[in-house]
Amino acid sequence: KNEVEQSPQNLTAQEGEFITINCSYSVGISALHWLQQHPGGGIVSLFMLSSGKKKHGRLIATINIQEKHSSLHITASHPRDSAVYICAVRRGSGGGADGLTFGKGTHLIIQP
Amino acid sequence: DAMVIQNPRYQVTQFGKPVTLSCSQTLNHNVMYWYQQKSSQAPKLLFHYYDKDFNNEADTPDNFQSRRPNTSFCFLDIRSPGLGDAAMYLCATSRDQAPGNEQFFGPGTRLTVL
Repeated sequence: KNEVEQSPQNLTAQEGEFITINCSYSVGISALHWLQQHPGGGIVSLFMLSSGKKKHGRLIATINIQEKHSSLHITASHPRDSAVYICAVRRGSGGGADGLTFGKGTHLIIQP
Repeated sequence: DAMVIQNPRYQVTQFGKPVTLSCSQTLNHNVMYWYQQKSSQAPKLLFHYYDKDFNNEADTPDNFQSRRPNTSFCFLDIRSPGLGDAAMYLCATSRDQAPGNEQFFGPGTRLTVL
């Protein structure tokens, strides 16, 4: 079982719909990242969370540390939001420059 | 703009022929990471540098090595590429070791092994 699980793996929706992508993890973490990857492209960091909720434009990310769960929401979705959304966690509670452990990603397609 | 740059974006090599991928950063970050992402899989950490200190992941093959001659540059050397090493290689940086530091990713280098 992967340490970081995302659902759904694939999601197709119509423009304007409210989108939710879920991430569950099974290890202790110091931070959780939501990342966006376009086809053939590099990765862009959307959010980094250690508690609570963050909002940036039409994107909202929440995390529940006790339940080891995070969600990424997209309001008023648009075709340009089509991408792979990846949840990644940084393990542990202290220092050390550990890299990220990634989920497999959610492939989102927003149709006009 | 400050950024993470990877060259080349696409690299083709032959089976067994050594290849070097390059990453540079203008962020003056202390930590640099190399990730491997195979098709339809999640990225996987290969190793990272904190300043000049090299940290190898336990399951990174010996075939993969890295050099960081200065703060700005980090190289990934694949000594004898196999077909299974074809992947996207992602470089990332973070300012320092603290957990709250964001990672900044480069555009990646897609490696093809013939």
